[in-house]
Amino acid sequence: QKEVEQNSGPLSVPEGAIASLNCTYSDRVSQSFFWYRQYSGKSPELIMSIYSNGDKEDGRFTAQLNKASQYVSLLIRDSQPSDSATYLCAARNTNAGKSTFGDGTTLTVKP
Amino acid sequence: DAGVTQSPTHLIKTRGQQVTLRCSPKSGHDTVSWYQQALGQGPQFIFQYYEEEERQRGNFPDRFSGHQFPNYSSELNVNALLLGDSALYLCASSLAPTETNYGYTFGSGTRLTVV
Repeated sequence: QKEVEQNSGPLSVPEGAIASLNCTYSDRVSQSFFWYRQYSGKSPELIMSIYSNGDKEDGRFTAQLNKASQYVSLLIRDSQPSDSATYLCAARNTNAGKSTFGDGTTLTVKP
Repeated sequence: DAGVTQSPTHLIKTRGQQVTLRCSPKSGHDTVSWYQQALGQGPQFIFQYYEEEERQRGNFPDRFSGHQFPNYSSELNVNALLLGDSALYLCASSLAPTETNYGYTFGSGTRLTVV
């Protein structure tokens, strides 16, 4: 079992719809979670971080964390074609400086 | 405010050769982590440097080594290259490892091809 698991996709949504990306993690001591966006051929870019249970909103993005279920999600509202990318979920525990990444979910937003 | 700088951008090496990749972290960051990303996979942790010491290491052989300099820049060295070492190598800079709620800033990466 991978430490951080994501559906590989591809996930396809129409423009203007809500895209929902999910991530589960196995290490219960993971405390901080991050979503990165990676365009094809580019390096990852940090979108959101979350470390408390509940929702955290930033513009069109909402991250959700449920530590009891070991589940993290990212919602993208009013999806745009420019949101088409691979979204990487990462987890970090308090004892480790490193982040462990999932393999990413590829999102395609169709005009 | 300079971001993370990696060099070179692309590199082609022959099996058995050695390679050195370089990274300058974002201004204000003092921790450098190196990741290997194969096509279609997430970044895999190689090691992390803080205060010029290797603080953590992933499941990579000793052929992979690194260094951090007093100005926080870092090098990744790979000896005895294998075809399987072909990947995108990412440098991620951040604050001190204890700043666990702080995410990474990635460089643009070095695409290494071993032939």
